[in-house]
Amino acid sequence: ETGVTQTPRHLVMGMTNKKSLKCEQHLGHNAMYWYKQSAKKPLELMFVYSLEERVENNSVPSRFSPECPNSSHLFLHLHTLQPEDSALYLCASSQGAAGTNEKLFFGSGTQLSVL
Amino acid sequence: EDQVTQSPEALRLQEGESSSLNCSYTVSGLRGLFWYRQDPGKGPEFLFTLYSAGEEKEKERLKATLTKKESFLHITAPKPEDSATYLCAVQAGGGADGLTFGKGTHLIIQP
Repeated sequence: ETGVTQTPRHLVMGMTNKKSLKCEQHLGHNAMYWYKQSAKKPLELMFVYSLEERVENNSVPSRFSPECPNSSHLFLHLHTLQPEDSALYLCASSQGAAGTNEKLFFGSGTQLSVL
Repeated sequence: EDQVTQSPEALRLQEGESSSLNCSYTVSGLRGLFWYRQDPGKGPEFLFTLYSAGEEKEKERLKATLTKKESFLHITAPKPEDSATYLCAVQAGGGADGLTFGKGTHLIIQP
């Protein structure tokens, strides 16, 4: 398998549930990102990991918790979400370290619905 | 604060009808301007990177240009398969800030 793979593709959860989104990149890249895409809004950067260390937390609520165990895998742990958190969550990777002006490769996203 | 504004929000063209999409930006120290294409149910797909005013890049029916304040994505003789949302993004500053995206232009090419 090649590229950036995200699972699950769709997720419905209640406000009291705990779930995790998974991202895996098969490109040998050094930086990974979480973006949120809501209807009628631009993509919003949530987290950046460069060489497995978090370098950017873009003022994201603590109910979102990222984890990057190695350079190929990225997780987003979710707990006690709100209905306004419903969105498409996109994972991306880039070849160089974050901030080196590299183009991003995106996964297909996880469409999250919070009831 | 970095800002990216794309216009129009939506554009409907007949097959073969050429047009341009606009991306205006306000950043402190542009390091790169990116164009992406996004199909329904998929993540954005990279098209071009432009680094300095006057630069142009082409790919099939698409040509991207850059000035000091805006970028244009020109679509020549489009086909229905060019229908997608086109996203513009900028990278600025010196840190690991990722990209700042515009809201996109939803393009529909009618046969």
